[in-house]
Amino acid sequence: GQNIDQPTEMTATEGAIVQINCTYQTSGFNGLFWYQQHAGEAPTFLSYNVLDGLEEKGRFSSFLSRSKGYSYLLLKELQMKDSASYLCALLLASDYKLSFGAGTTVTVRA
Amino acid sequence: GAVVSQHPSRVICKSGTSVKIECRSLDFQATTMFWYRQFPKKSLMLMATSNEGSKATYEQGVEKDKFLINHASLTLSTLTVTSAHPEDSSFYICSANRPGVEAFFGQGTRLTVV
Repeated sequence: GQNIDQPTEMTATEGAIVQINCTYQTSGFNGLFWYQQHAGEAPTFLSYNVLDGLEEKGRFSSFLSRSKGYSYLLLKELQMKDSASYLCALLLASDYKLSFGAGTTVTVRA
Repeated sequence: GAVVSQHPSRVICKSGTSVKIECRSLDFQATTMFWYRQFPKKSLMLMATSNEGSKATYEQGVEKDKFLINHASLTLSTLTVTSAHPEDSSFYICSANRPGVEAFFGQGTRLTVV
């Protein structure tokens, strides 16, 4: 398996920054995705890393280090609407399937 | 706007009946679609890969006779939960990859079997 690990829960204050880590063990993948999922809804795409480094998209940034088997999603200037589950997923090289981590539930408090 | 549409969004059915869920790619052709199942506060678990014009590929532990998948066209895949039981109650989500782009998910279907 891919053994994708994420923290279960995180809490942060409105306006703050939160970093969600994702570690994995896999023989090969094409890219690493981050999705946001609100309760009862389908996941929505946030970010995608193919090469090592930082990808910035507005308030959200994602980082990948293939050599370390590590990625993080950085959420800046947190807003109440950012309270959701954040899923780390690998696009497997073997069959182009997405393998998901269990997700990190972020709660933003006023 | 949505690029993958899933219908229905909610369905309640009686135990023993069958339920069909549709997944459509709206502005691109998808030779492959994926069906996931998600339990409360759990991650998405891939059930099967739907292949246009051929048989679906099921993940280990997923009963192919229980979860029938048909991918009759390049824009439509259907998942039929046959002889549903309360333990089949779950959130079912489909996805499709636009070529060279990330996966897009349907809105999800909340199935409740009573």
